[in-house]
Amino acid sequence: DTEVTQTPKHLVMGMTNKKSLKCEQHMGHRAMYWYKQKAKKPPELMFVYSYEKLSINESVPSRFSPECPNSSLLNLHLHALQPEDSALYLCASSQDLGGYEQFFGPGTRLTVL
Amino acid sequence: SQQGEEDPQALSIQEGENATMNCSYKTSINNLQWYRQNSGRGLVHLILIRSNEREKHSGRLRVTLDTSKKSSSLLITASRAADTASYFCASNFGNEKLTFGTGTRLTIIP
Repeated sequence: DTEVTQTPKHLVMGMTNKKSLKCEQHMGHRAMYWYKQKAKKPPELMFVYSYEKLSINESVPSRFSPECPNSSLLNLHLHALQPEDSALYLCASSQDLGGYEQFFGPGTRLTVL
Repeated sequence: SQQGEEDPQALSIQEGENATMNCSYKTSINNLQWYRQNSGRGLVHLILIRSNEREKHSGRLRVTLDTSKKSSSLLITASRAADTASYFCASNFGNEKLTFGTGTRLTIIP
């Protein structure tokens, strides 16, 4: 199974809502990533988990809170978002850190009203 | 910004023609990767070339790497409508994050 799954596919939320994005992989990968992508732009790294520990936080605002419950799952908790946070949120995994091929999920299209 | 630059930003060609896109990066690298993204979807890994390699092939894809010029190119031969997508290069050094280029939007005209 070389698939990374993400739920939901689409999410519309108000600025006062709390929601979560979910990501799952069963490839035994030890590194997992959250990216944010605006239209016609490259993905921007948000967080990296390595062996279930947060390895990189790219100075992301605290209204985004990542969680790695186990080696297969990655969550992104959202609270008090702003309209400018509307974007495609991509999850990815790789065998380890260090430039391995990354496998991406299909993304969650988030709209903040 | 540590982002790599890609050119052209957009490219339209007739089906069957070859497409070439270029990537420049700023720092030393361990390897360079190319990814494809269909509209609004996840990225798909195409090919990885290591810093000690100069050329690599995979099916209709040919990638070159010139570390002295800090540049790479992706050639897609005999293009098909299904090749319409955005293409991103991504470079890495050590255990640092992948740094993505700005991307090339390729349109294949049937």
